[in-house]
Amino acid sequence: AQSVAQPEDQVNVAEGNPLTVKCTYSVSGNPYLFWYVQYPNRGLQFLLKYITGDNLVKGSYGFEAEFNKSQTSFHLKKPSALVSDSALYFCAVRDINTGNQFYFGTGTSLTVIP
Amino acid sequence: GAGVSQSPRYKVTKRGQDVALRCDPISGHVSLYWYRQALGQGPEFLTYFNYEAQQDKSGLPNDRFSAERPEGSISTLTIQRTEQRDSAMYRCASSPGQGVPMNTEAFFGQGTRLTVV
Repeated sequence: AQSVAQPEDQVNVAEGNPLTVKCTYSVSGNPYLFWYVQYPNRGLQFLLKYITGDNLVKGSYGFEAEFNKSQTSFHLKKPSALVSDSALYFCAVRDINTGNQFYFGTGTSLTVIP
Repeated sequence: GAGVSQSPRYKVTKRGQDVALRCDPISGHVSLYWYRQALGQGPEFLTYFNYEAQQDKSGLPNDRFSAERPEGSISTLTIQRTEQRDSAMYRCASSPGQGVPMNTEAFFGQGTRLTVV
């Protein structure tokens, strides 16, 4: 079965510090991995994805994520956090071998403290 | 349109009433998804379509829930005899789907907040 785990409900980081939001996954085949961000009263916005190739992928707003196959992880990172990064972040996996749908984690609330 | 459009944005209904939620995907997108998101939770898969064909409805919680996409564009999610536990944010998403790599991301609408009183 496909699943995504986000072990931290809440992450707090000081502005200017690096941030990491964790995600681990479980799929039967090759994983296609995504990060989405949700701001208050807004829809889910795509940040970045890993399909194949370089393990480090870069996305919108200075975010990047590192795919680690041995650890089945896809952690979201940013070298220097901004207050405006405060939002809810969702990791998602898609396994086209078993279906076309996306499976989402439960989300991590990121708060960047000024 | 430029993005995925959902209507209404907010819906308050009395228990036992039927509701219909509408999704207008990005023009030309083949795949359309419905998700439900409870407060503090991640989106939960309900169903998806390729063109007008419903490919997977395994996430629909019971037979009060149904969805259609008769012309392969606009989709309607219908909930019959609503119950309070149906209260949630209902999100629609679309992706280019077939004909392009299957690994493309999905684009989400702003959702419909359903409250059953």
